[in-house]
Amino acid sequence: GAVVSQHPSWVICKSGTSVKIECRSLDFQATTMFWYRQFPKQSLMLMATSNEGSKATYEQGVEKDKFLINHASLTLSTLTVTSAHPEDSSFYICSSPWGLDGYTFGSGTRLTVV
Amino acid sequence: LAKTTQPISMDSYEGQEVNITCSHNNIATNDYITWYQQFPSQGPRFIIQGYKTKVTNEVASLFIPADRKSSTLSLPRVSLSDTAVYYCLVGGPEDSSYKLIFGSGTRLLVRP
Repeated sequence: GAVVSQHPSWVICKSGTSVKIECRSLDFQATTMFWYRQFPKQSLMLMATSNEGSKATYEQGVEKDKFLINHASLTLSTLTVTSAHPEDSSFYICSSPWGLDGYTFGSGTRLTVV
Repeated sequence: LAKTTQPISMDSYEGQEVNITCSHNNIATNDYITWYQQFPSQGPRFIIQGYKTKVTNEVASLFIPADRKSSTLSLPRVSLSDTAVYYCLVGGPEDSSYKLIFGSGTRLLVRP
């Protein structure tokens, strides 16, 4: 089946620094990648949709200048959290559509901003 | 986008059958129903998908009535490792522009 490899699994950064999260499709071409954020004990919240070769589409209330998304190739999409603050601490997950099984998800990245 | 409603939580014991029902009154003609499982600090994992009637795979069954306004995920003989959050989503799997919008999910706790 389709696999999306997400790295890093966890990261701790200082407030004010930037962090990049990568999602790679290993055995298929990911034309579209969805990025989610999940706070403890809550559901996944869609942040943005990226399409290869075009600008990402952000959901209402998500700051596009803070969460930079790049989808430069069919196998790699990245999310950069710029000038991170403690309130950005969360679990970030990527997902891509795959065949008739719906969507395949990355394993998630736990971001802690101190 | 069809909105889904599920019970917030359910408790069960090892070896029992668990049925989780999801309501999706506004499901569209082309929408499929898909269930995902999520363990803590992991991405969701596909369980089963269906369009109508009944679908069964090696881990679960999915029952969908004729009006398709609800669906029931059935987990036979659950074990402790089935403790997780289960999400019901509706949409078109072949439409890559379709955004998966997650509802609250059902937190299943399996007790010894």
